[in-house]
Amino acid sequence: DSGVTQTPKHLITATGQRVTLRCSPRSGDLSVYWYQQSLDQGLQFLIQYYNGEERAKGNILERFSAQQFPDLHSELNLSSLELGDSALYFCASTPQLKGTQYFGPGTRLLVL
Amino acid sequence: KNEVEQSPQNLTAQEGEFITINCSYSVGISALHWLQQHPGGGIVSLFMLSSGKKKHGRLIATINIQEKHSSLHITASHPRDSAVYICAVETSGSRLTFGEGTQLTVNP
Repeated sequence: DSGVTQTPKHLITATGQRVTLRCSPRSGDLSVYWYQQSLDQGLQFLIQYYNGEERAKGNILERFSAQQFPDLHSELNLSSLELGDSALYFCASTPQLKGTQYFGPGTRLLVL
Repeated sequence: KNEVEQSPQNLTAQEGEFITINCSYSVGISALHWLQQHPGGGIVSLFMLSSGKKKHGRLIATINIQEKHSSLHITASHPRDSAVYICAVETSGSRLTFGEGTQLTVNP
């Protein structure tokens, strides 16, 4: 158990819908990272937050947005969902800006 | 060409064998990570290194910055080592760029 929690574990929804994925980092960790793992693209970095501020942005679509709240949990919002958004979404955390990343168990999203 | 290349893509070994997985990268990095992904999907960080060699139990990771190459070795492999091993490089800021992974199967 990494200490990082993600909810929900599984999510099934329809095209065009909007979903919110939630991540709670390890106690005391200030950085949260979001990743997408799909069959055709592999693992890809989406975005990083540090102490509430966006720090780095990767291959995140405009339909996707994220934020980190004062209690340090983070949410990833996916809107206007398409079939190709079906993937495993992981979050990870580190105590500071860099370091060993501790991964959550992931949220498996299926868009029908 | 991918920024991070792993080889082999698939590896089957017999229990007890010494295993090597290679990772080559083409960009400047601040660190390299080795990750293990279990069949259920969970990801565990094995090593983060920026130079030299690290050892944890039966796992050894090495990196050669000049040659832009890293290796992950598993000594005395066991069926419970069966997993996907992923190399990831840390570039600008702390974003990770991932290799495609190596599927390892260790047979009893």
